[in-house]
Amino acid sequence: EVQLVESGGGLVQPGGSLRLSCAASGFTFSNYWMSWVRQAPGKGLEWVANIKQDGSENYYVDSVEGRFTISRDNAKNSLYLQMNSLRAEDTAMYYCARLTVTHAFDIWGQGTMVTVSS
Amino acid sequence: DIQLTQSPSFLSASVGDRVTITCRASQGVSNFLAWYQQKPGKAPKLLIYAASTLQSGVPSRFSGSGSGTEFTLTISSLQPEDFATYYCQQLISYPPESTFGQGTKVEIK
Repeated sequence: EVQLVESGGGLVQPGGSLRLSCAASGFTFSNYWMSWVRQAPGKGLEWVANIKQDGSENYYVDSVEGRFTISRDNAKNSLYLQMNSLRAEDTAMYYCARLTVTHAFDIWGQGTMVTVSS
Repeated sequence: DIQLTQSPSFLSASVGDRVTITCRASQGVSNFLAWYQQKPGKAPKLLIYAASTLQSGVPSRFSGSGSGTEFTLTISSLQPEDFATYYCQQLISYPPESTFGQGTKVEIK
């Protein structure tokens, strides 16, 4: 079964750091661009970051550029999001998603919740 | 940055109704436009990709059309399980930075 499972969310103080993980299974992970998408409580979806199959290229939404780092370990079939200098507005459910050649997100994890609050 | 604007933001409809949601892009995205359905507490589900191609397993009452800057998602006969929030999403080739529309909530009339 094709599956993505996120972990690592939790409560963190403003200015703190958190590292999210996403474990992939059921497909050849190294063949796909991968992404993080977030959703603040009661709000819409916001794309956060993309990473190329070999990790050589990554792209970010302006609001997280310089604070978040997307990475991957193809040997471990895992995707990561290192989040530093967290702000209250980063509070959201974070989903990892597989990006297809047709530029759509076809597989999503169940999400991991990040709450930034003192 | 490419902005996507969905209309309407909220829609009240009855079972059996034909429903159309529009997504307008601030600049041309060719056919790199997808539609998602999201139910409360769940991850989004891909319905349509490349503007008009139905994702495997999605009922045929869902259809998409459009190219360039204007796109539509149509549900030909609304079913009880279709009450949800729908999002459009674009990602042009380079830079591969994506955006979503603000969402359209479809509720029972």
